[in-house]
Amino acid sequence: EAGVAQSPRYKIIEKRQSVAFWCNPISGHATLYWYQQILGQGPKLLIQFQNNGVVDDSQLPKDRFSAERLKGVDSTLKIQPAKLEDSAVYLCASSKDRAYEQYFGPGTRLTVT
Amino acid sequence: DQQVKQNSPSLSVQEGRISILNCDYTNSMFDYFLWYKKYPAEGPTFLISISSIKDKNEDGRFTVFLNKSAKHLSLHIVPSQPGDSAVYFCAGFGSGTYKYIFGTGTRLKVLA
Repeated sequence: EAGVAQSPRYKIIEKRQSVAFWCNPISGHATLYWYQQILGQGPKLLIQFQNNGVVDDSQLPKDRFSAERLKGVDSTLKIQPAKLEDSAVYLCASSKDRAYEQYFGPGTRLTVT
Repeated sequence: DQQVKQNSPSLSVQEGRISILNCDYTNSMFDYFLWYKKYPAEGPTFLISISSIKDKNEDGRFTVFLNKSAKHLSLHIVPSQPGDSAVYFCAGFGSGTYKYIFGTGTRLKVLA
């Protein structure tokens, strides 16, 4: 069974630029999560999808972050414009129908200069 | 508001000895607690979990203990192996919110 795929693995951008991350969850997993992990901290949930609907985006900075999950499968997370404090690893995870066991992708390390 | 805390940022243990990683929480609404292991440049991988109605769960070399009165859980690794060297995160999961709250992680180094 293929795991959660993410791309790109690394991205360096200047502040005020935009960036997008892509995630392909495990086949058949209805729930998809995006996390932000700042160095020295644990992952923090940004947004949770159930199929292609948003069930929790309470910690998503909506003035600059957006996410979508088309057709209930792949998802993209966008930052526009980026700030220095957005430098972090962005992790995508999926689970079967909001089950407590989540499977994480390798993450995208974003550096904003 | 840090609902899940891992107060030890790092831990070093000799190979073959026991590793004990600790985690404290403040939210009594968590239904499950989980431990994830993370290697550099990889995503976290699930290690072991425990239901809030249990006080112990064992899987091979890994055992998680839950003390609800103290709001404390611990992960025991016996015997520790060099391949166990990683960052370990504990997380609380609430069935009402269906989301994790992670601790800040403990970096374990097992010395050969």
